[in-house]
Amino acid sequence: EVQLVESGGGVVKPGGSLRLSCTVSGFTFSDAWMNWVRQAPGKGLEWVGRIKSKSDGGTTDYVGPVQGRFSISRDDSRNRLYLQMSSLRIEDTAVYFCTTGGYDSRGYYRNYWGQGTLVIVSS
Amino acid sequence: DTVLTQTPLSLSVTPGQPASISCRSSQSLLHTDGKAYLYWYLQKPGQSPQLLIYEVSSRFSGVPDRFSGSGSETDFTLRISRVEAEDVGTYYCMQGVHLPRTFGQGTKVEIK
Repeated sequence: EVQLVESGGGVVKPGGSLRLSCTVSGFTFSDAWMNWVRQAPGKGLEWVGRIKSKSDGGTTDYVGPVQGRFSISRDDSRNRLYLQMSSLRIEDTAVYFCTTGGYDSRGYYRNYWGQGTLVIVSS
Repeated sequence: DTVLTQTPLSLSVTPGQPASISCRSSQSLLHTDGKAYLYWYLQKPGQSPQLLIYEVSSRFSGVPDRFSGSGSETDFTLRISRVEAEDVGTYYCMQGVHLPRTFGQGTKVEIK
């Protein structure tokens, strides 16, 4: 069974930092390009960024508002994805989801989402 | 950034009736590989998004065949042939060609 479990959310003051984790099981994490998507309370979905698999370079891309403040990394030995968030702003308050999608080695299309973890930025 | 504009933003549908949602992109979603990377998700209340359609018109595993997707380049449509009560939620289109990836604003579907 595939599982993506986010953790690390909580309440943080503006300007503070937080690190989210996403622990994965049930598929070959090291082959997957992983994404973070967030959803502010009562709002729509916003793609935050992604990290490619190491075999594809392991590079990262981010949406403009988080560029330079957020950093995505991965530990393939622990099947974990991370989102390091710094200089947090009130508008970063959201549920953060980790997600991945694409064709597996057998050619089947897969798409997985975690349940999300809530980050509240408030003084 | 690529802007995806969904219409309508809300929809009230009688069970058994059809429904459709439009998603228009500010730029072509046709990749150099010849595919268009447009996805449709449904987010039911209190749940994570679930994929319905990938690459414009391919139905994801387990998705009922009353859901279909169509379109090309900049204009895309999600159709539900006969809406059921379990289809309530917010539908989002998402593009997978340009960075950053972007979502439409969402279309909230309710049952009459």
